[in-house]
Amino acid sequence: DTGVSQNPRHKITKRGQNVTFRCDPISEHNRLYWYRQTLGQGPEFLTYFQNEAQLEKSRLLSDRFSAERPKGSFSTLEIQRTEQGDSAMYLCASSFSTGELFFGEGSRLTVL
Amino acid sequence: QQQVKQSPQSLIVQKGGISIINCAYENTAFDYFPWYQQFPGKGPALLIAIRPDVSEKKEGRFTISFNKSAKQFSLHIMDSQPGDSATYFCAASWPSGTYKYIFGTGTRLKVLA
Repeated sequence: DTGVSQNPRHKITKRGQNVTFRCDPISEHNRLYWYRQTLGQGPEFLTYFQNEAQLEKSRLLSDRFSAERPKGSFSTLEIQRTEQGDSAMYLCASSFSTGELFFGEGSRLTVL
Repeated sequence: QQQVKQSPQSLIVQKGGISIINCAYENTAFDYFPWYQQFPGKGPALLIAIRPDVSEKKEGRFTISFNKSAKQFSLHIMDSQPGDSATYFCAASWPSGTYKYIFGTGTRLKVLA
């Protein structure tokens, strides 16, 4: 399968714990995006990378959130000290610099 | 100004009918308008996209109509099929070249057999 891969698919955690999600993009894509989607809503932009450089972060991305893309390959999204409001689907997408974003199936976070 | 307003929230269409979903925007700097289809438990998948210098684009049963002066665009699904039952999102991208999307709130389409 050469699509965007996200792990884990579902994470249940207690409030205050740290969680990390991993995204493996389509191998030749230079851009990688993170979005967050809550039930019944459209995805909301969080951040994006071109190669290893993080070019923009949304104000939705509080100091508890950090994303990295070492060596311009896979990316991780870490949430520290999780809160119940962090419960959502975290979507990763990759692309060439051409507009078509290819999304993964997402990582669903449930904070108890 | 950064919002994309989508309607209707839900839509029920008979098999073979035409499904129409509308979106409106305010920011005239948006320069790329894709439509995404999402099935439950899956990530969104690109259906069709248009740039503001084109008034209509057709791919198979899917057509985008774009009205730049009214700042509106719509998705038409011809000959709707039960397999089209999904949630559809319009989106707009800005600044130019970033492909950083602002998504609408989605339309849940159900096509009756």
